[in-house]
Amino acid sequence: NAGVTQTPKFQVLKTGQSMTLQCAQDMNHNSMYWYRQDPGMGLRLIYYSASEGTTDKGEVPNGYNVSRLNKREFSLRLESAAPSQTSVYFCASSEAGFGRATPATEAFFGQGTRLTVV
Amino acid sequence: GEDVEQSLFLSVREGDSSVINCTYTDSSSTYLYWYKQEPGAGLQLLTYIFSNMDMKQDQRLTVLLNKKDKHLSLRIADTQTGDSAIYFCADPSGGGYNKLIFGAGTRLAVHP
Repeated sequence: NAGVTQTPKFQVLKTGQSMTLQCAQDMNHNSMYWYRQDPGMGLRLIYYSASEGTTDKGEVPNGYNVSRLNKREFSLRLESAAPSQTSVYFCASSEAGFGRATPATEAFFGQGTRLTVV
Repeated sequence: GEDVEQSLFLSVREGDSSVINCTYTDSSSTYLYWYKQEPGAGLQLLTYIFSNMDMKQDQRLTVLLNKKDKHLSLRIADTQTGDSAIYFCADPSGGGYNKLIFGAGTRLAVHP
């Protein structure tokens, strides 16, 4: 089972360049997420998509855009990369969201993309 | 806003118990979660606890929840070298906002 697949695994960008991180899940999940992981700061939510056709900002959306292309795919775009965006990026998906009324929900994570902006 | 706090490092001897602590601010969550991240990998769900429970036991894992103090802990009995990883507690935020807020993660190092 593939689960959540992210591409690329590693990327080096120059300041000002743009790129798109791809994410696809094969579990028919409704919700998808993009997180960044920085040392000592844990995972911070960039954007999420509660269902196909909707996207919302998370904690740290500045400098990023997202597209929920279809139910399977959720991409993250850096329009003009900055050194502060050097991080490990994780895509995740879940069958349902994490609201009060929902049952315990598991988020499935991809392997991550290690991005360095020089 | 919502916040989840953890200490960053814990070192234990193989065979001892490990206790990883977490405090959170959003008391409306129905469930609280523990995730594990092994080196070079994404996060995987380890266990979770329903907010009406004080304790949940799952083999070597024991989760304790103190709602009054908003304190969550994960105890690993008979810690093994394979338990070396980063452990994150996670709190769904704001009820209905459909997002999971993670702590900074506690790096557990197990030594012989």
